[in-house]
Amino acid sequence: RKEVEQDPGPFNVPEGATVAFNCTYSNSASQSFFWYRQDCRKEPKLLMSVYSSGNEDGRFTAQLNRASQYISLLIRDSKLSDSATYLCVVNKRSNYQLIWGAGTKLIIKP
Amino acid sequence: NAGVTQTPKFRILKIGQSMTLQCAQDMNHNYMYWYRQDPGMGLKLIYYSVGAGITDKGEVPNGYNVSRSTTEDFPLRLELAAPSQTSVYFCASSSSPSWEQYFGPGTRLTVT
Repeated sequence: RKEVEQDPGPFNVPEGATVAFNCTYSNSASQSFFWYRQDCRKEPKLLMSVYSSGNEDGRFTAQLNRASQYISLLIRDSKLSDSATYLCVVNKRSNYQLIWGAGTKLIIKP
Repeated sequence: NAGVTQTPKFRILKIGQSMTLQCAQDMNHNYMYWYRQDPGMGLKLIYYSVGAGITDKGEVPNGYNVSRSTTEDFPLRLELAAPSQTSVYFCASSSSPSWEQYFGPGTRLTVT
């Protein structure tokens, strides 16, 4: 089993729709969770950290489910500019390394 | 602020050649990282550093070497390039291992 698993997609979603995707992780001792966004042929950039209580930033909501070991990202009222690959990142508690998922590709269609 | 800078942006190497990928940050971050990203794959950690003079191996260190003589610079050395090292290389830095990592624009390397 991979340490961090994501559905590669692509998710093809009409503009204005709501889309959600999950990421599962294998290390129950992980403490830090992030969603990064990566545009085509660009570097990853932090979208949001994921806290135990969940957090919201505008149209984006992230949730953590420790019991089932997954994190989720919800995007409401999707925009064309949301088209990107979304990377799930989890820390490796033992040595602080971050483990990166392969990403979920999102395509927003007009 | 320049943030994290990387040079070169693109490079083609012949099998067996060597090169150094440069990385510099101006945010006074102690933690720096080198990743490689193959098509359709997640980032794989090659080496990381927790401060000047201190480096450690990541998940895929074979074929690479690093040094960290200053807080700002963290070069990655490829010795005896192989086609398997064809990839996009990203350098990143952070103020803490569990906080946001800031990335450079990447170096696209092809070994033929």
